[in-house]
Amino acid sequence: QTVVTQEPSLTVSPGGTVTLTCASSTGAVTSGYYPNWFQQKPGQAPRALIYSTSNKHFWTPARFSGSLLGGKAALTLSGVQPEDEAEYYCLLYYGGTQLVFGTGTKVTVL
Amino acid sequence: QVQLQESGPGLVKPSQTLSLTCTVSGGSIRSGGYYWSWIRQHPGKGLEWIGNIYYSGSTDYNPSLKSRVTISVDTSKNQLSLKLTSVTAADTAVYYCVRGDSDRGGLDYWGQGTLVTVSS
Repeated sequence: QTVVTQEPSLTVSPGGTVTLTCASSTGAVTSGYYPNWFQQKPGQAPRALIYSTSNKHFWTPARFSGSLLGGKAALTLSGVQPEDEAEYYCLLYYGGTQLVFGTGTKVTVL
Repeated sequence: QVQLQESGPGLVKPSQTLSLTCTVSGGSIRSGGYYWSWIRQHPGKGLEWIGNIYYSGSTDYNPSLKSRVTISVDTSKNQLSLKLTSVTAADTAVYYCVRGDSDRGGLDYWGQGTLVTVSS
């Protein structure tokens, strides 16, 4: 069974920068896994932030950016705002037909 | 703007079939380049992909649920449906319908989700 692992929790100061990562149990994450990132706040549906590694939806704030880093997918939040406190999930596509979500990272802005 | 709205019973008895509908507005469910997904979230837990249905009508399912899941579309109603048979308490979750973009390689629009509780 494929497992996609994220940091359980991260804390960042307002205005700071934090990087979340997304690792696959099958090996290095590449662009062929089409990494996606989602933000979920309590009681709300997830909201899409990033698709295909680094592409932003038109509603995605500029402070969010996606990349590949050391064999993992990464989401960087720069100039963090209090409203960025949320759970973040990555998603990887395996063989284009199987989707696996990451375990999620809770980001606290403190 | 595309909007998705899930609907269906909020309570299902064990061993019965969970049936949900997702109504799509602001776009055709048969638009080329898109596919439709069901995703669920157990209370207080992470996201779990259930399956996809594509423009061609073909489907892909999570191997762990494949034997119990059917996803279909009703183009006349612009609706997507999910059927999950032989449910247990472990199927209690919030169920989301989501649009996928084949050209962009990702999921974009999500429904608000609907909580389904499996209990006698």
